[in-house]
Amino acid sequence: EADIYQTPRYLVIGTGKKITLECSQTMGHDKMYWYQQDPGMELHLIHYSYGVNSTEKGDLSSESTVSRIRTEHFPLTLESARPSHTSQYLCASSERISGGEGEKLFFGSGTQLSVL
Amino acid sequence: KNQVEQSPQSLIILEGKNCTLQCNYTVSPFSNLRWYKQDTGRGPVSLTIMTFSENTKSNGRYTATLDADTKQSSLHITASQLSDSASYICVVSDRGSTLGRLYFGRGTQLTVWP
Repeated sequence: EADIYQTPRYLVIGTGKKITLECSQTMGHDKMYWYQQDPGMELHLIHYSYGVNSTEKGDLSSESTVSRIRTEHFPLTLESARPSHTSQYLCASSERISGGEGEKLFFGSGTQLSVL
Repeated sequence: KNQVEQSPQSLIILEGKNCTLQCNYTVSPFSNLRWYKQDTGRGPVSLTIMTFSENTKSNGRYTATLDADTKQSSLHITASQLSDSASYICVVSDRGSTLGRLYFGRGTQLTVWP
């Protein structure tokens, strides 16, 4: 069981509201990620971080922003939510694959966001 | 274009039966291939990770195979259980960067009926 937590699990808000999706991990991982997933579709990387004070945009253009002030915490913020932001948001952290190359991902349970 | 294609899109089987899910990829240069299980409303959980030199890896009733020459992988589930109902996602990593870019398939939605 991965020690990575997302809150809230579900969020329904009105258009124009500012929201922050929380993500915390207790595994001491430096690398963290935010993915966006629509039903029946593949995950898309929207933000990632190599460590404290490091943030990068992912492959999918997103109006959200992230911050990494502490190793364990990687919140995602939408300044003004719109219906097009309705989706599932998955947070992940990673560690080096044992004996191999690349990173092994550990995912949180996700936040299902609905913007009305 | 680097892509990961999975088939079938969905599958229904009876409890106790075996099934095989397919993954074809065009990612190059190849680093590793992973299979994840994603329960409804949850995040994906890693089942197996295989590198270029590995052609089979098991995790309990799950057995993954990899043919790096044909760029195909399969996930075989033996003696299915109701708890196997989930989406199974194939993910391929390239060697392009330290982070290793990940390419996700859309998943196969498996439903196990009693």
